[in-house]
Amino acid sequence: GQNIDQPTEMTATEGAIVQINCTYQTSGFNGLFWYQQHAGEAPTFLSYNVLDGLEEKGRFSSFLSRSKGYSYLLLKELQMKDSASYLCAVRDSGIKAAGNKLTFGGGTRVLVKP
Amino acid sequence: DVKVTQSSRYLVKRTGEKVFLECVQDMDHENMFWYRQDPGLGLRLIYFSYDVKMKEKGDIPEGYSVSREKKERFSLILESASTNQTSMYLCASRGLGLGTEAFFGQGTRLTVV
Repeated sequence: GQNIDQPTEMTATEGAIVQINCTYQTSGFNGLFWYQQHAGEAPTFLSYNVLDGLEEKGRFSSFLSRSKGYSYLLLKELQMKDSASYLCAVRDSGIKAAGNKLTFGGGTRVLVKP
Repeated sequence: DVKVTQSSRYLVKRTGEKVFLECVQDMDHENMFWYRQDPGLGLRLIYFSYDVKMKEKGDIPEGYSVSREKKERFSLILESASTNQTSMYLCASRGLGLGTEAFFGQGTRLTVV
């Protein structure tokens, strides 16, 4: 089975940096995704990690350590529009059915204050 | 622009009714998913399909069934709706390939009264 943990809520100030952690214990692993979801909207893709290390995309970076079952999403130079929920998702391993399964954590709501 | 379209944004149904939630994608994706999203519980996978007429149970399939007769369409069926199925339902699709992202529809907020 899959168990994915994220903090429920975080608050940060505009212009600051926030790090959202995600830990997972899964029966198989074939990559980790981060999604952003604004209230009332669909989740949208932010990043993907399958190898250990840091992936940087503008103000957002995502890190993965497979041996520790750990990832984080780093949001720099926070803006008010970054207030949203951030979802960590793990792709299962295997072919066909099992390999296509994507399991989500509970999501972390980030509130950016002026 | 890629698109996943869910047939209804809001739906109110009575207990015991049979409910159909429709999802259509225009990206020729092999994989399609149905999730429900509840406060504090995040997105939970109900069913997914990796090919036409193929389906696999997710983590919470009880009380639901699905149909995938055509590649672009994936339907979620509540055989006999109950109040505990009141939720936000999200459909997603994804192509093949390791790092391919999933695209989500706008969601259907279903209320069962």
